[in-house]
Amino acid sequence: GNSVTQMEGPVTLSEEAFLTINCTYTATGYPSLFWYVQYPGEGLQLLLKATKADDKGSNKGFEATYRKETTSFHLEKGSVQVSDSAVYFCALSDSNTGNQFYFGTGTSLTVIP
Amino acid sequence: GAGVSQSPSNKVTEKGKDVELRCDPISGHTALYWYRQSLGQGLEFLIYFQGNSAPDKSGLPSDRFSAERTGGSVSTLTIQRTQQEDSAVYLCASSLLAGGPGELFFGEGSRLTVL
Repeated sequence: GNSVTQMEGPVTLSEEAFLTINCTYTATGYPSLFWYVQYPGEGLQLLLKATKADDKGSNKGFEATYRKETTSFHLEKGSVQVSDSAVYFCALSDSNTGNQFYFGTGTSLTVIP
Repeated sequence: GAGVSQSPSNKVTEKGKDVELRCDPISGHTALYWYRQSLGQGLEFLIYFQGNSAPDKSGLPSDRFSAERTGGSVSTLTIQRTQQEDSAVYLCASSLLAGGPGELFFGEGSRLTVL
């Protein structure tokens, strides 16, 4: 079946540090991969996505590359800011299973000045 | 507004009572999802509506939970005989399907507290 496993948190970093949040997936077909972000007190919103192997999604300085060979979609940012403090969710959707979305458990990131 | 709207934003109820949570998706979105987010947990899938197809109810945790979507738009999630373990934030999301999985747009959620 389909599932997503992501790095457990919480993660605490100093401002301008490098961020990696690991995400691996299991899928029966050829899924699309997503990172969603939930800022404090707000709803979830799409951060970036990739729809096929080797695609790189990017937004707000964050990047993630769809790696089919390692079934991974790790989130990276070169220099985090305090405003990046949020909970990050990795997700996949597979049209072979009716466009159902599968989410990871979320990784809480706190960036300190 | 143009986003996904959920009501109530907060609901406190007593154990054993029934509750209804409402979701008004973005106009024209054919797919509607309900998730549950408990403290320290990820998003737990509950139910998924896609157009006129039969809903995917595989995530509903018990027969106390049910949902309907009237006219392909507004959805209501009903929890009967609430239990304390039902306390969580219930999230609704909608999506426009155009040949593949599109972006999910989430509402702000309905926080349910069962005393």
